[in-house]
Amino acid sequence: SQTIHQWPATLVQPVGSPLSLECTVEGTSNPNLYWYRQAAGRGLQLLFYSVGIGQISSEVPQNLSASRPQDRQFILSSKKLLLSDSGFYLCAWSPSLHQNTEAFFGQGTRLTVV
Amino acid sequence: TQLLEQSPQFLSIQEGENLTVYCNSSSVFSSLQWYRQEPGEGPVLLVTVVTGGEVKKLKRLTFQFGDARKDSSLHITAAQPGDTGLYLCAGPIQGAQKLVFGQGTRLTINP
Repeated sequence: SQTIHQWPATLVQPVGSPLSLECTVEGTSNPNLYWYRQAAGRGLQLLFYSVGIGQISSEVPQNLSASRPQDRQFILSSKKLLLSDSGFYLCAWSPSLHQNTEAFFGQGTRLTVV
Repeated sequence: TQLLEQSPQFLSIQEGENLTVYCNSSSVFSSLQWYRQEPGEGPVLLVTVVTGGEVKKLKRLTFQFGDARKDSSLHITAAQPGDTGLYLCAGPIQGAQKLVFGQGTRLTINP
């Protein structure tokens, strides 16, 4: 069966510090991978998505970047965090969307920038 | 601009009441999905509707896809406190291989 791991679960970082959030998927190959950010109790804003190794699409201009160094690994990074980067970050994977399949989410990372 | 608009954004009702939440778009979707999210966790899929006019039932939850495939609704009958959560609709953007979400409906069922 497929599983998705996202860590850490919570993170408190000072302004100006770097960030690296990692997400890995097991039990499937060539998944679509996604990073979303969620404000408290609100919807999910798509930040990045990837359909293959090294292929990253950015949805909104921001202080963040994403990389996919391996087929089932997706990393969200920042060189210098801003206060506005605080939020709940969710990694997700899906098979090809051509089959109208669902997205499977990790448990999320609560990031607080202080 | 939000591609998927959900309404209401917040809803608080008493146990036993019925409710309907909506997901609307000006764009046509090949399918729409409904997720439910608990605090501190990732969303979990409830249902996918694919055919225009389709109705799917999941116990006390009834999901409908609009005939024109631009909107969907979720109706809950005899709501229970366990139904409390954030309900999100989502749809795939074909050709771009991405899934976009509405802003969610925060539902609270009071005992």
